[in-house]
Amino acid sequence: KAGVTQTPRYLIKTRGQQVTLSCSPISGHRSVSWYQQTPGQGLQFLFEYFSETQRNKGNFPGRFSGRQFSNSRSEMNVSTLELGDSALYLCASSLGTGGNIQYFGAGTRLSVL
Amino acid sequence: EDQVTQSPEALRLQEGESSSLNCSYTVSGLRGLFWYRQDPGKGPEFLFTLYSAGEEKEKERLKATLTKKESFLHITAPKPEDSATYLCAVDTGFQKLVFGTGTRLLVSP
Repeated sequence: KAGVTQTPRYLIKTRGQQVTLSCSPISGHRSVSWYQQTPGQGLQFLFEYFSETQRNKGNFPGRFSGRQFSNSRSEMNVSTLELGDSALYLCASSLGTGGNIQYFGAGTRLSVL
Repeated sequence: EDQVTQSPEALRLQEGESSSLNCSYTVSGLRGLFWYRQDPGKGPEFLFTLYSAGEEKEKERLKATLTKKESFLHITAPKPEDSATYLCAVDTGFQKLVFGTGTRLLVSP
């Protein structure tokens, strides 16, 4: 069974640009969650989608947005990039009910110059 | 506010030297406590999930336990390949995991 796939693995952008990251969940999983990991803040929850609906959102500015498609694949968008957005962005998929195990992808490493 | 605190931040062990990692939590409603292992440059790898106080789970040299306020990850006779960052997280609802900052474990041969 294939795991969670994130593309691209690495990205380099400049301040002010926007970026879109992609996540393909494990087959049969309907929930996709996104996290930002930085050395200073650790892993922080961005948002979660289930059946194309955002059910939960973390404390991030509106520049961070996402969506989920009918096949459960998800995208995350960051607009007007700032230097502080440099991080490892992780996607996790699960069946979607409370307490389900979340399985993580390898992440997308975003560097903002 | 939901909080997860892990200690120690870093731990250095000799091969075969057993120890425990601590995860204390304050959450309004616990839907599950999770332990993950993360190697450099990779995403977290699921190890265990615990749902109620008193629950224990084991896998090879690792054993996780849960009380009402904390969880322990016991490592028995560790090997160098156990070196990694161990993350604790709690599910606070709608798949939102609140993570601790992790314990970096280094096992020397």
